Amino acid sequence: AQTVTQSQPEMSVQEAETVTLSCTYDTSESDYYLFWYKQPPSRQMILVIRQEAYKQQNATENRFSVNFQKAAKSFSLKISDSQLGDAAMYFCAYRSRYSGGGADGLTFGKGTHLIIQP
Amino acid sequence: DSGVTQTPKHLITATGQRVTLRCSPRSGDLSVYWYQQSLDQGLQFLIQYYNGEERAKGNILERFSAQQFPDLHSELNLSSLELGDSALYFCASSVEILYTQYFGPGTRLTVL
Repeated sequence: AQTVTQSQPEMSVQEAETVTLSCTYDTSESDYYLFWYKQPPSRQMILVIRQEAYKQQNATENRFSVNFQKAAKSFSLKISDSQLGDAAMYFCAYRSRYSGGGADGLTFGKGTHLIIQP
Repeated sequence: DSGVTQTPKHLITATGQRVTLRCSPRSGDLSVYWYQQSLDQGLQFLIQYYNGEERAKGNILERFSAQQFPDLHSELNLSSLELGDSALYFCASSVEILYTQYFGPGTRLTVL
């Protein structure tokens, strides 16, 4: 079974600065998807960014980018120019590329609580 | 707004009771997923339906069941409720299997 580990329960950053959230995962599969979801105080789960394991290029969405290291099984999220609205819980998630038998469900880490200092 | 709707937003009930949570996927999405978020277990995948058929099971208890109807909405039934079932229950949907999942706002269940 796959596992996802987020070793930072809480991170704090000054507004306008850059912060990196860490995520490692364990899998024996070679092809999979990785995601970062954001959960603000409203509790809504919002997709931030998605990475396909077969793509070597790191995904980027505006101020959000990832550093995907497949051999190290590492998938960190970098937030540039942090804004107050970025304050939330951030969850790293894994999903197999092979469907069926529970593989379609996302496996989540425990989350990192990001605090933005004004 | 993801386009996924869930009702009710909040539900308070007693131990031993049965409740039904409802989810309407985004227009055109065929696959529906249910997740449970609790302080103890974090976010856990429960079950997936695709075009009316059960597709995959995760950590779903035998007291829990789900179904997806011909109009593609889904219901999660929780019975013989225990205090530990108190959690936030999310529904997510995707166009097809393996596509990105979009989450609804969740149903907060409190068992007293």
